[in-house]
Amino acid sequence: ETGVTQTPRHLVMGMTNKKSLKCEQHLGHNAMYWYKQSAKKPLELMFVYSLEERVENNSVPSRFSPECPNSSHLFLHLHTLQPEDSALYLCASSQVDSNSPLHFGNGTRLTVT
Amino acid sequence: GQQLNQSPQSMFIQEGEDVSMNCTSSSIFNTWLWYKQDPGEGPVLLIALYKAGELTSNGRLTAQFGITRKDSFLNISASIPSDVGIYFCAGHFSSNTGKLIFGQGTTLQVKP
Repeated sequence: ETGVTQTPRHLVMGMTNKKSLKCEQHLGHNAMYWYKQSAKKPLELMFVYSLEERVENNSVPSRFSPECPNSSHLFLHLHTLQPEDSALYLCASSQVDSNSPLHFGNGTRLTVT
Repeated sequence: GQQLNQSPQSMFIQEGEDVSMNCTSSSIFNTWLWYKQDPGEGPVLLIALYKAGELTSNGRLTAQFGITRKDSFLNISASIPSDVGIYFCAGHFSSNTGKLIFGQGTTLQVKP
């Protein structure tokens, strides 16, 4: 049972589609993250929201657009993606503390056709 | 740039064997974390280490925060088939509070 819930678990979309990934955390945390996990690569940090403000954007293409309406919810809006964007997208949350561990959701497996 | 070197990249062992993996960096860390990721799931925190020299156990798992603050190891004793998965180390740099860096992962396979 995870305190971080991601939907959908699987998503197949064409390059012209628009879709959104959703993340919800029930841990009372005040920071949320999007990571991209591709085969044979380390976890890549995409976005960080701390106290609902975006504090980090690791040079992610504009076809990925995050939204954090409150401390419990995080979205990743997707449009005109490329096949190389196919990956597992992981959401995580933590307390805004320099040494706080991240708690991950189970991810959305995205396939772009 | 700042990065973690995790080794080995993969291991294929017999059930009952002990396992050891480690992470090293040229930078100093404030924390070391070890995660396990099962197929189709997100990473789950196994052990968190906060002080240099700290040795912490969680069942058959033992991890240590290196005394130099630049490395950490994870040991698994008497492996079982459900230990299969990808193990990640991660750490917070002392010079960049809040930023968590991940190792490349160690893929563990256990033969019954």
